[in-house]
Amino acid sequence: DGGITQSPKYLFRKEGQNVTLSCEQNLNHDAMYWYRQDPGQGLRLIYYSQIVNDFQKGDIAEGYSVSREKKESFPLTVTSAQKNPTAFYLCASSREGRTNSPLHFGNGTRLTVT
Amino acid sequence: AQSVTQLGSHVSVSEGALVLLRCNYSSSVPPYLFWYVQYPNQGLQLLLKYTTGATLVKGINGFEAEFKKSETSFHLTKPSAHMSDAAEYFCAVRDTGTASKLTFGTGTRLQVTL
Repeated sequence: DGGITQSPKYLFRKEGQNVTLSCEQNLNHDAMYWYRQDPGQGLRLIYYSQIVNDFQKGDIAEGYSVSREKKESFPLTVTSAQKNPTAFYLCASSREGRTNSPLHFGNGTRLTVT
Repeated sequence: AQSVTQLGSHVSVSEGALVLLRCNYSSSVPPYLFWYVQYPNQGLQLLLKYTTGATLVKGINGFEAEFKKSETSFHLTKPSAHMSDAAEYFCAVRDTGTASKLTFGTGTRLQVTL
């Protein structure tokens, strides 16, 4: 079945360490997205990519980095510069980034930094 | 930039009662509108999306949404709530005409009681 795979589901790190969250899709979608979810704040966009080797900052990109070397993959690195990294991270993809093309979501990675 | 407002962070209904979750958007030009549902510790699942020209949009699980341009609203309804509808619901918006991000509301948690 086509879909989006995020791994791992739970991730624990010590403060000061960088950590990379994996996101892979086999839907042949051009656009991919990373959102952060915190209680009561909805989803906030971190980065998005409309095409391979190109990506744009979202609303809360500081302390995060991404790459898009392959169409299927859009890994997110949470760097030590991110002040409050503990959150639920959601990856999504869409056929393209315009019109009413809906986003398809993975099941998320819950990151805890202590 | 587009935004959506979801009135009521928590809504409680009895099983069998009408479900009404409110969403208002900010643009004078009808954007692309979506409703998503999220079950605990999972990603988001598309319930329905607005199609240009439609006023009533039908989605999955018996949900539908009415688009009212005069009120800049896209409220989600279901005639009869089921226990399995208990989840968090998000309204989302994307500007038309340009490649742009999907912006989410802060969500409404629906509780269904016996």
